[in-house]
Amino acid sequence: NAGVTQTPKFQVLKTGQSMTLQCAQDMNHEYMSWYRQDPGMGLRLIHYSVGAGITDQGEVPNGYNVSRSTTEDFPLRLLSAAPSQTSVYFCASTGLEETQYFGPGTRLLVL
Amino acid sequence: QQQVKQSPQSLIVQKGGISIINCAYENTAFDYFPWYQQFPGKGPALLIAIRPDVSEKKEGRFTISFNKSAKQFSLHIMDSQPGDSATYFCAASLPASNYQLIWGAGTKLIIKP
Repeated sequence: NAGVTQTPKFQVLKTGQSMTLQCAQDMNHEYMSWYRQDPGMGLRLIHYSVGAGITDQGEVPNGYNVSRSTTEDFPLRLLSAAPSQTSVYFCASTGLEETQYFGPGTRLLVL
Repeated sequence: QQQVKQSPQSLIVQKGGISIINCAYENTAFDYFPWYQQFPGKGPALLIAIRPDVSEKKEGRFTISFNKSAKQFSLHIMDSQPGDSATYFCAASLPASNYQLIWGAGTKLIIKP
């Protein structure tokens, strides 16, 4: 089992550029989520999905889009990158007993 | 009402000592309280979790103490080791919330050899 994988590990963008952060899991979990982590602010939920074809907004959804066409994949799209989106992004899937399994993260720098 | 307040922000403990991290909440409907451990450059990983029907849960050197009346729960790390140096997050969730966790801000723990 690879668990939760994320690509890329690190990305530098210019303001206004768009990009997609990839996330995949091989545990057949229905529930997946995207977080951003900023110093001193813990983890903030961006978007989540309860199954293929179903997504919903979290705490900080503005500037991000998601889709869930398969159980395995849950990409996060930045529509027009802004410096305020500089952060570390984590994808997670939820298994038994509400345990969340996190990917290794994507470090994004927006100039 | 939805917040989980975590303290301290950072903590330095000598090797062999007891590390204690505290979290407080307001919403009495929370029914699941996990602690996650995060090493630098890695994603968080579940360390230990508790539900409000018990007051304490122990797994090895890690113990959660839960005080329902005070609306507080804490993580105790006994015989702290340098390998325990990490950031620790508490969290809470509501029933039927699609597994959404409300996260504390995190505590950076350093164990000095």
